Amino acid sequence: RKEVEQDPGPFNVPEGATVAFNCTYSNSASQSFFWYRQDCRKEPKLLMSVYSSGNEDGRFTAQLNRASQYISLLIRDSKLSDSATYLCVVNRGSGTYKYIFGTGTRLKVLA
Amino acid sequence: DADVTQTPRNRITKTGKRIMLECSQTKGHDRMYWYRQDPGLGLRLIYYSFDVKDINKGEISDGYSVSRQAQAKFSLSLESAIPNQTALYFCATSDSLGGSTDTQYFGPGTRLTVL
Repeated sequence: RKEVEQDPGPFNVPEGATVAFNCTYSNSASQSFFWYRQDCRKEPKLLMSVYSSGNEDGRFTAQLNRASQYISLLIRDSKLSDSATYLCVVNRGSGTYKYIFGTGTRLKVLA
Repeated sequence: DADVTQTPRNRITKTGKRIMLECSQTKGHDRMYWYRQDPGLGLRLIYYSFDVKDINKGEISDGYSVSRQAQAKFSLSLESAIPNQTALYFCATSDSLGGSTDTQYFGPGTRLTVL
């Protein structure tokens, strides 16, 4: 079992739709969590950090559920420009201090 | 100008050749990382460095070596390239504040093909 798991998709949604992705992690000692966006053959870029209380940035909402060990990303009012791969990233912290990347969830927003 | 740069951007080489990938950053960050990305496997950490005198192996360091020449420069070497090292390589940096502010900033990547 991978330490960080994501549904690879693709999620094909029409413009204006709401879409949600989950990411599960197995290390209960994980300390920080992020969503990155990666366009085809480009570098990953931080979309948002994920805080314990949940956080929102415009059309994007991130949630953390420590009890069930998953994080989620909700995108409202999808735009064509949201088409990309979304990477879940977990920092183990405490000692190893390494980031573990999920393999990504691919989103296609259709006109 | 980009904050994190990588050279070369693309490289095709032959089995057994020595290859060096270079990374430079102008963000003033202490921490630098080398990853490789393969389809279906996500990004995997090769080496990381928390400052000039600190080098640590990541999960897949075999066949690779690194050098932290200065705070701003971190190079990755493949001493004798093999075909399964064909991948997209990313350099990244982060500051040392830690926690949720410990964002990683990636370079544009180097596409390496080993024939």
